Amino acid sequence: DAGVIQSPRHEVTEMGQEVTLRCKPISGHNSLFWYRQTMMRGLELLIYFNNNVPIDDSGMPEDRFSAKMPNASFSTLKIQPSEPRDSAVYFCASSLVPLAGDHEQFFGPGTRLTVL
Amino acid sequence: DQQVKQNSPSLSVQEGRISILNCDYTNSMFDYFLWYKKYPAEGPTFLISISSIKDKNEDGRFTVFLNKSAKHLSLHIVPSQPGDSAVYFCAASSGANNLFFGTGTRLTVIP
Repeated sequence: DAGVIQSPRHEVTEMGQEVTLRCKPISGHNSLFWYRQTMMRGLELLIYFNNNVPIDDSGMPEDRFSAKMPNASFSTLKIQPSEPRDSAVYFCASSLVPLAGDHEQFFGPGTRLTVL
Repeated sequence: DQQVKQNSPSLSVQEGRISILNCDYTNSMFDYFLWYKKYPAEGPTFLISISSIKDKNEDGRFTVFLNKSAKHLSLHIVPSQPGDSAVYFCAASSGANNLFFGTGTRLTVIP
């Protein structure tokens, strides 16, 4: 079982450049989540999708961030233009809902983004 | 505003002793709580959960306690092992799909 796959694992870019992070959820899962991890705020939910439809994007910091899920097996998180304060680890997670009262999410290994 | 809080950024415990990690929440609508464990360079992995209809859930060395009146939960690990050294995140849900996470507590178990 492959688990959630994220690419790239590390990304170093210069301020102003466009950054695209990619995620492949676990096959059969119908919900996908994008998180950002920082020291100050821990794991922050940026956006989540149910059946490829964005449900809640209130965590997206600003218009520079956008996310898409064109099909059940692929999602992207794009930052354009990137800024140094976007430097963080970005996680993708997927889950199968509704579950029997269980809200377990399965996380990918994360993408460490550094914006210089 | 942080709805789930882990006020201790770090904790050190001797091997074999009990580790207690604490978590507080502010939203009384939360009805499901989870603990995740995270090793460096890996994503968080699910550890244990508890529904608001219970006050305790146990899985091997791991026990989670929920005090709804105090809006507080804790994770007990006994006995602690060096392999338990990781960052532990508390998370909560109000029935929707999304989870609210705390900032994490780094546990170090000293051999």
